[in-house]
Amino acid sequence: DTEVTQTPKHLVMGMTNKKSLKCEQHMGHRAMYWYKQKAKKPPELMFVYSYEKLSINESVPSRFSPECPNSSLLNLHLHALQPEDSALYLCASSQDLHTTRANTGELFFGEGSRLTVL
Amino acid sequence: EDKVVQSPLSLVVHEGDTVTLNCSYEVTNFRSLLWYKQEKKAPTFLFMLTSSGIEKKSGRLSSILDKKELFSILNITATQTGDSAIYLCAVSGSARQLTFGSGTQLTVLP
Repeated sequence: DTEVTQTPKHLVMGMTNKKSLKCEQHMGHRAMYWYKQKAKKPPELMFVYSYEKLSINESVPSRFSPECPNSSLLNLHLHALQPEDSALYLCASSQDLHTTRANTGELFFGEGSRLTVL
Repeated sequence: EDKVVQSPLSLVVHEGDTVTLNCSYEVTNFRSLLWYKQEKKAPTFLFMLTSSGIEKKSGRLSSILDKKELFSILNITATQTGDSAIYLCAVSGSARQLTFGSGTQLTVLP
């Protein structure tokens, strides 16, 4: 199983709503990532979890709150978002963050959750 | 800071043409270079390159890495309309995550 699954595929929310994006992988990967991608731009890294601990936060506003309940799951909690937060949110996983001979950093992406904030 | 530059930013060709996409990089402790194809959803993996001079092929697509000159090319021969996509180059180094280039938007006209 080489899949990263994300739900929901599409989400429309108002600026006062609270919602969550979910991501799941069963490849035994120990690093999981959230990326944000605007139209015609490359993915921008938001958060990295390594062994269920937050390893990297790329100065993301606190209205985005990540959570890693276990090694297979990664959530992104959304609250009080702005219309400019509308984007494709991509989850990804990789074998490990740490530099080992076997780990060359390949990321496996989910299909993404397309978020529209009204 | 790791840096990845792709060129051209966009390219329009006709079916049957051959295209070459370029990716140059500056990265500390290079580990690998990856090519992804992105249509409307998530990037899909094409190639991972770790060694210089060894061509990777998959059908009409091929890629090669030059670690001395710090670049890679992605070739697509006999292009089809289904090849229309954004092609992303990313590099893995000691920064512990992939650094993406801005992508090349390829449009193949019938």
